[in-house]
Amino acid sequence: KAGVTQTPRYLIKTRGQQVTLSCSPISGHRSVSWYQQTPGQGLQFLFEYFSETQRNKGNFPGRFSGRQFSNSRSEMNVSTLELGDSALYLCASSLGYSSTDTQYFGPGTRLTVL
Amino acid sequence: KNEVEQSPQNLTAQEGEFITINCSYSVGISALHWLQQHPGGGIVSLFMLSSGKKKHGRLIATINIQEKHSSLHITASHPRDSAVYICAVGYAGGTSYGKLTFGQGTILTVHP
Repeated sequence: KAGVTQTPRYLIKTRGQQVTLSCSPISGHRSVSWYQQTPGQGLQFLFEYFSETQRNKGNFPGRFSGRQFSNSRSEMNVSTLELGDSALYLCASSLGYSSTDTQYFGPGTRLTVL
Repeated sequence: KNEVEQSPQNLTAQEGEFITINCSYSVGISALHWLQQHPGGGIVSLFMLSSGKKKHGRLIATINIQEKHSSLHITASHPRDSAVYICAVGYAGGTSYGKLTFGQGTILTVHP
């Protein structure tokens, strides 16, 4: 089976722009979670989608949003980018709920905001 | 709010040594995950456990639900074990339903 894929792998944007990141889970997995990783804050939970429904969202502003499609592929969007949004964005998929099931991580998208 | 604390933050070892990384959390959980992250960013899930002990090759993970504590052991460490090891806890209910909360990570360096 193919692993979790994320596109693009690298992205450079300027403040005020918006960005959309994509995640394709392992075939058959229904849960997709998104995480932000920065040197200062470490890994932080953004949100989880299961069967197209958002189960929960982390403590991030409304500029961060996401969705999941019927084929389980997921996108996350960040609007009005700020310098502090520069980070590695990781998605992970699992068969069941991410909090209680083994997760498989994608390689991440490294976003740089100038 | 659950806090997840890992210790030590940095660990240096000689090849062959037995290594222990600890993880403590403050609120009852449904599952605990141990993750490994190599330079370059890729994260691999090592274990997901809710009780007892699991073993995979040279890696052993234990969890004590009553004491809210888990340990990751590496036997006969090797330079290829050098990575960041991250503990994360998950919940099956309540307001944290669906979330994972992460520790700050332990940077392990194994010298030949």
